[in-house]
Amino acid sequence: RKEVEQDPGPFNVPEGATVAFNCTYSNSASQSFFWYRQDCRKEPKLLMSVYSSGNEDGRFTAQLNRASQYISLLIRDSKLSDSATYLCVVNTPGTYKYIFGTGTRLKVLA
Amino acid sequence: DAEITQSPRHKITETGRQVTLACHQTWNHNNMFWYRQDLGHGLRLIHYSYGVQDTNKGEVSDGYSVSRSNTEDLPLTLESAASSQTSVYFCASSDVRNEKLFFGSGTQLSVL
Repeated sequence: RKEVEQDPGPFNVPEGATVAFNCTYSNSASQSFFWYRQDCRKEPKLLMSVYSSGNEDGRFTAQLNRASQYISLLIRDSKLSDSATYLCVVNTPGTYKYIFGTGTRLKVLA
Repeated sequence: DAEITQSPRHKITETGRQVTLACHQTWNHNNMFWYRQDLGHGLRLIHYSYGVQDTNKGEVSDGYSVSRSNTEDLPLTLESAASSQTSVYFCASSDVRNEKLFFGSGTQLSVL
């Protein structure tokens, strides 16, 4: 089993739709969780950290479910500019190392 | 503004040659990382450093080496380039307090 798993997609959604991605992780001791966004052939950029209580940043909401060992990202009112690959990132407990999922591709269609 | 820069952006080399990719950050971050990204594998950790004179192997370190002589730089060396090392390489750094990773813009390396 991979340490961090994501559905590769692509998720094709119309503009204005709400879309959600999940990411599962295998190490129950992981403490830090992030969502990164990566545009084609560019560097990953931090979208948001994921906190235990859940957190929201504009149209984006991230949640953590420790019991089931997954994190989620919800995007409301999708824009064309949201088209990208979304990477789930989980830390390796006791270190500053991070494990990346292979990413979920999102295409927002006009 | 603080930043992290990689050079070169693109590099073509021949098998067997030694290649060094540069990474320079002005965040004053202690932690620095090298990743490679390939289709179907996502980002995989090559080497990392938690400070000056500290280096550690990641999951795909064979054929690569790094050195950390100062806070700002973590050059990645391919001792004898192989075609399997054709990839996109990303350098990243993070602060020990907030743990967020910041990436350079990447180096596309082709080994022919």
